[in-house]
Amino acid sequence: KQEVTQIPAALSVPEGENLVLNCSFTDSAIYNLQWFRQDPGKGLTSLLLIQSSQREQTSGRLNASLDKSSGRSTLYIAASQPGDSATYLCAVSGHIQGAQKLVFGQGTRLTINP
Amino acid sequence: EAQVTQNPRYLITVTGKKLTVTCSQNMNHEYMSWYRQDPGLGLRQIYYSMNVEVTDKGDVPEGYKVSRKEKRNFPLILESPSPNQTSLYFCASSLRQGGEQFFGPGTRLTVL
Repeated sequence: KQEVTQIPAALSVPEGENLVLNCSFTDSAIYNLQWFRQDPGKGLTSLLLIQSSQREQTSGRLNASLDKSSGRSTLYIAASQPGDSATYLCAVSGHIQGAQKLVFGQGTRLTINP
Repeated sequence: EAQVTQNPRYLITVTGKKLTVTCSQNMNHEYMSWYRQDPGLGLRQIYYSMNVEVTDKGDVPEGYKVSRKEKRNFPLILESPSPNQTSLYFCASSLRQGGEQFFGPGTRLTVL
């Protein structure tokens, strides 16, 4: 059974720092991996989606990498801003037969201090 | 505006009283899912649907029913709610299998 772990559970850094969030998964037979952002009391917003054949994806100040063989993904946030404060979740899809079944990590609660 | 909508956003009910949470998307997406989010347990998939009249169980389907009679709608039905179904529920949709998922704003359900 796929398990997804995100460490640390919470992270607090000063504004302007570059930071890395980690996600690990136990079964490397994934279809893709997605990173989401969740603001308090709100739904999830998709940030980046990496297909299993890709190594990384970039969007603005965000860069996500995927190492399927080691079961790891990282989300790199450059020049952090207070508006980046949120909970960040990663989720993996099973192989194509079950590609719609997502398994989520418990998230990293990020606080950027002005 | 492309979006996933859920109703109601908040609901307090009593044990055993049947309820339905509606979900609708206006993006012509094939795939739709329901999740529940609980402290310490994270987000867990309840049911998903690959197309009209095609649904399958997620990780925690017990106590829930779904139907997909129209492409845009995917209601979640609790026939006899119990307090352990108190949770934050999210509906999501995607254009294709394994594609980017778009989430609704959530429904906070309390069962007394």
